[in-house]
Amino acid sequence: GAVVSQHPSRVICKSGTSVKIECRSLDFQATTMFWYRQFPKQSLMLMATSNEGSKATYEQGVEKDKFLINHASLTLSTLTVTSAHPEDSSFYICSARQLGTGVSQDTIYFGEGSWLTVV
Amino acid sequence: GDSVTQMEGPVTLSEEAFLTINCTYTATGYPSLFWYVQYPGEGLQLLLKATKADDKGSNKGFEATYRKETTSFHLEKGSVQVSDSAVYFCALSVQGGSEKLVFGKGTKLTVNP
Repeated sequence: GAVVSQHPSRVICKSGTSVKIECRSLDFQATTMFWYRQFPKQSLMLMATSNEGSKATYEQGVEKDKFLINHASLTLSTLTVTSAHPEDSSFYICSARQLGTGVSQDTIYFGEGSWLTVV
Repeated sequence: GDSVTQMEGPVTLSEEAFLTINCTYTATGYPSLFWYVQYPGEGLQLLLKATKADDKGSNKGFEATYRKETTSFHLEKGSVQVSDSAVYFCALSVQGGSEKLVFGKGTKLTVNP
């Protein structure tokens, strides 16, 4: 079946550096992908909607200059955390929408998630 | 705003025990409700869903009924297996589809043999 892959699954970076997380749809094209994050003991929160070939749509309170999203191809969206700080340490997970065909509905597939630790 | 509250874990059960994970929601309009499961090292997978009041979603022996009067969508399974060990997330979508999802915090289930 359709699979979405995220990389890396775990990353540790130094404060002030940038880190990139990739989200790939492996066997379908995804014009829309979504990025979520989950702080410890909190819910998964939608950060932004990534649209292929256009700018991402950010949720209220999410800094677009800090969390750069690039959806340059139909199978890849990247999230770059710029000038990372310890408070950015979190679980980041993406999802991709596979468009339905005919009468079938769209299907959302999630990646495995990425643990970011900023030290 | 829209929110989902689910039972805090972790939950530890013996094989063949009965499982209930409570989930309640607050939403404007008429949300669709979902349960997602995340097995170790894997992405979230849709377990079941219900799109309107009194609908029952079911899959792999799991069931949940959309109760509008109690704003609940509790997950149940009559006899859990070791392979059910995972993190379970309750979620809602007020746009009808499963695009913009509002999640609960997740409940980790461990089933011992």
